[in-house]
Amino acid sequence: SAVISQKPSRDICQRGTSLTIQCQVDSQVTMMFWYRQQPGQSLTLIATANQGSEATYESGFVIDKFPISRPNLTFSTLTVSNMSPEDSSIYLCSVDPTGGNIQYFGAGTRLSVL
Amino acid sequence: AQSVTQPDIHITVSEGASLELRCNYSYGATPYLFWYVQSPGQGLQLLLKYFSGDTLVQGIKGFEAEFKRSQSSFNLRKPSVHWSDAAEYFCAVGGNTGTASKLTFGTGTRLQVTL
Repeated sequence: SAVISQKPSRDICQRGTSLTIQCQVDSQVTMMFWYRQQPGQSLTLIATANQGSEATYESGFVIDKFPISRPNLTFSTLTVSNMSPEDSSIYLCSVDPTGGNIQYFGAGTRLSVL
Repeated sequence: AQSVTQPDIHITVSEGASLELRCNYSYGATPYLFWYVQSPGQGLQLLLKYFSGDTLVQGIKGFEAEFKRSQSSFNLRKPSVHWSDAAEYFCAVGGNTGTASKLTFGTGTRLQVTL
C-alpha cells in the first residue's frame, strides 16, 4: 500500500478564484490519479498523471480548467481554475504503487465554492 | 464501456445482522473488481479485490465478496455487522488497459447500522 497526504483537507473559496491541491506519497509511484466526487455522487476520474509525461484527461475534463503538475515520483498537484459553485466537490488523489492495478486513495480535499 | 450498478442507495441493518450489498458490472473482458469503503470525512479504503482465481475473496474487517461471472455480479457480504461499519460502500471495476488501470465506480450504497 502507500500513505497519501492531501493538502488542504478542506477550503472555502470565492467564485472566479483558483485552488491548488497537493498530493504527496510516501514512496515513488509511476501512476497517480485525480478524481472528483460531487455531493452525493460517486467518484469520477479527472485525469491520470504519470511522471515525465503530460496528464491524460477523461472526457468532460480539460487542462485549462484542471491543470495538473507531476514534477517527481512522489508529488502531484491539481489546480481547479476559475471556480464556480458547480466545482464544489471532494477531490481525491490515488496511486497505484506497484503497477498491480490496485489504487490507494488519499483522504480528499473538500472544496466549497461560494 | 465499463460500468457499475449499485442498485441500493441506502440500506439499514441492525447491529449483529448479516449484510449483503449488491454490485453488477459491465466489462468487455475479465474484470478487476473492487470494494472500497468511505467513512464520513475520510478517503476511500480498499476492502477487497478480485482479479482471478477463487471467486470468493476475503477482505479486511470481516468482509467477503463473491464474483459470479454468469450474473455479472460482485456482491459484498458480512455475516455480522458492527456499528462501526456504518459508511458509504463503493464497488468499482477496472482492467489492465495498457499502463493505466482506470477504475469506474458505482454510485455507492450508504449503510446505516441501528443498535
